[in-house]
Amino acid sequence: QQQVRQSSQSLTVWEGETAILNCSYENSAFDYFPWYQQFPGEGPALLIAIRSVSDKKEDGRFTIFFNKREKNLSLHIKDSQPGDSATYFCAASENYNQGKLIFGQGTKLSIKP
Amino acid sequence: NSKVIQTPRYLVKGQGQKAKMRCIPEKGHPVVFWYQQNKNNEFKFLINFQNQEVLQQIDMTEKRFSAECPSNSPCSLEIQSSEAGDSALYLCASSLDQDTQYFGPGTRLLVL
Repeated sequence: QQQVRQSSQSLTVWEGETAILNCSYENSAFDYFPWYQQFPGEGPALLIAIRSVSDKKEDGRFTIFFNKREKNLSLHIKDSQPGDSATYFCAASENYNQGKLIFGQGTKLSIKP
Repeated sequence: NSKVIQTPRYLVKGQGQKAKMRCIPEKGHPVVFWYQQNKNNEFKFLINFQNQEVLQQIDMTEKRFSAECPSNSPCSLEIQSSEAGDSALYLCASSLDQDTQYFGPGTRLLVL
């Protein structure tokens, strides 16, 4: 059973557009949701994270929109650049579960120049 | 940028051989996690530590996998008898507070 699900395996957008990556989850006890960016041959890099008490978190070109009732969230990347081409992972963890992250299967984002 | 150091970056072993990889967490981070990322990009949590104490580990870890985080030494993950299915990227992450986890570059294990 996939506890964290990313709706697209891959996504292609044009340079300058907003890329929207979607994620949903099963476990109501999840309360921390980081997004990681991974380039080939590298480890995942923390991009931005949100807690379930918030419905939006913004950091530069990256924004998370969170809907607790619907159990879904999305990562918006404004003004996409070719350097944003990478695989993005949505993850989740429960409070009081020692931080164990459950990852989605990733969305490979390609930005066309 | 993450300052988690993992060595070696690549490891090739035959089936049945031991495979050992090391991790130096970011300075001041008391919590260390190990995850396995397979070729299908599926992540599996293996074990985590707070300082030298195990917080949580999965059943698989208890059988062929062993890990430790001794004080003043790198953390390590060792597979006692490697199997082909263990071929994966092994990721170490460290954290100040169990939530915000910073990953190293990983050790890519290939079991022939």
